[in-house]
Amino acid sequence: QKEVEQNSGPLSVPEGAIASLNCTYSDRVSQSFFWYRQYSGKSPELIMSIYSNGDKEDGRFTAQLNKASQYVSLLIRDSQPSDSATYLCAVTSPAIAGKSTFGDGTTLTVKP
Amino acid sequence: GAGVSQSPRYKVAKRGQDVALRCDPISGHVSLFWYQQALGQGPEFLTYFQNEAQLDKSGLPSDRFFAERPEGSVSTLKIQRTQQEDSAVYLCASSLLGQGISEQYFGPGTRLTVT
Repeated sequence: QKEVEQNSGPLSVPEGAIASLNCTYSDRVSQSFFWYRQYSGKSPELIMSIYSNGDKEDGRFTAQLNKASQYVSLLIRDSQPSDSATYLCAVTSPAIAGKSTFGDGTTLTVKP
Repeated sequence: GAGVSQSPRYKVAKRGQDVALRCDPISGHVSLFWYQQALGQGPEFLTYFQNEAQLDKSGLPSDRFFAERPEGSVSTLKIQRTQQEDSAVYLCASSLLGQGISEQYFGPGTRLTVT
């Protein structure tokens, strides 16, 4: 079992819909959680960081964290074709300070 | 402001050659990370520096891989006697704080192809 699990997709949503991306992690003491967007042939770009339970909103993006369930999600509202990319979840644990563990990503396609 | 830069962007090496990949982090960033990314997978951790100290090198796949950050700024990842399985994108990231608790910002990567 990978330390950080994501559905590989592809996830396809129509333009204007809400896209929901999910991530589970195995290390219960993980403390920092990040979502990155990666376009094909490009490097990961940070979208959101979340450190405490609950929701964090930034524009069309909302990150949700539930440490009891070891689950973090990313919602994208009013999805646009430009949101089509691979979304990577990353987790950092104090037990392995400095090291972020990434999932393999979920590929999102937003259809016009 | 300037982001993380990496050079070269593309490198083709014959099997057995040595290569050196350079990373210039964001100015003032304490932490620097190297990752290896294979096609269709997430970045895999290689090594981590806090200033000039290499605090974790547990992800380096073999003793052919070596990284340094002698003055706490620019870092070099060196791969000796390259093998075909070393072909991948090598990503560098930097972070303002130590201990991996703050956001990491990635450079454009170096795509290494070993023939």
